[in-house]
Amino acid sequence: AQTVTQSQPEMSVQEAETVTLSCTYDTSESNYYLFWYKQPPSRQMILVIRQEAYKQQNATENRFSVNFQKAAKSFSLKISDSQLGDTAMYFCAFSPATGANSKLTFGKGITLSVRP
Amino acid sequence: AAGVIQSPRHLIKEKRETATLKCYPIPRHDTVYWYQQGPGQDPQFLISFYEKMQSDKGSIPDRFSAQQFSDYHSELNMSSLELGDSALYFCASSLVRGNTEAFFGQGTRLTVV
Repeated sequence: AQTVTQSQPEMSVQEAETVTLSCTYDTSESNYYLFWYKQPPSRQMILVIRQEAYKQQNATENRFSVNFQKAAKSFSLKISDSQLGDTAMYFCAFSPATGANSKLTFGKGITLSVRP
Repeated sequence: AAGVIQSPRHLIKEKRETATLKCYPIPRHDTVYWYQQGPGQDPQFLISFYEKMQSDKGSIPDRFSAQQFSDYHSELNMSSLELGDSALYFCASSLVRGNTEAFFGQGTRLTVV
C-alpha cells in the first residue's frame, strides 16, 4: 500500500513571493506517477503538475515546478511569483503506473493563503 | 474541450433514503474512478471501472454499488443513507491506454439530513 504525507497543514505567503509545499511518500512500486492537485474554494480538483517517476528531470508548468527526490521519496512543489488566485488547498497524490489500477492516493492536503 | 460531467451538482436526502449519482466521462476515456471527500478531508478512492468492468475497489461501503454502462457513463448508487455519507463525490476519467492523468468532474455535493 502507498502512503502520502503532507506534514504542513497550512502555509501563508506574500503575493509575488515564492513558496514551497512539502510532500513525502512511501511505496514499493518501481514505476509510478506523482501529482499536485489544487482545490480552490469552488472545490474543483485541478491538476497542477505531474511527474513520472522514471524521469529524472523535474517537471515544470509555468510558475509551478517540483523537486523530485526519488531516493528520499520526496516531492515538493515550488510556486514562484505567488498570485492571489493561488489561494487554495493543495493535495499531493500518488498513482502506480499499472494501467487500469492507477487510482490516486492523496495526502491530507495543505491550505495555502496568498496575502496581498 | 469536453470535460467530465457529473449530475446532480447538489443533492439533499434524508437518512435511510437512496441516492444515485451519475458521471459522464470525457469521450473515448476508458477508465472511470469514484472518490469521496468528507468535510476537511482528502479524497478517498471508492471504486473504478476499466472498459465497463470493475477494475479496483477501495473503501466503499456495502451499501454503495456502482456500474459503468455501454455508453461509458457510470452511476454510483447509495442506499440506506447515513449522516456520515454527507460528502463531495468526485468522478474522474482517464485514458489508460493513452497514459493520461485523471480528469475530475466538478463533484456532487451530497447532504444527508
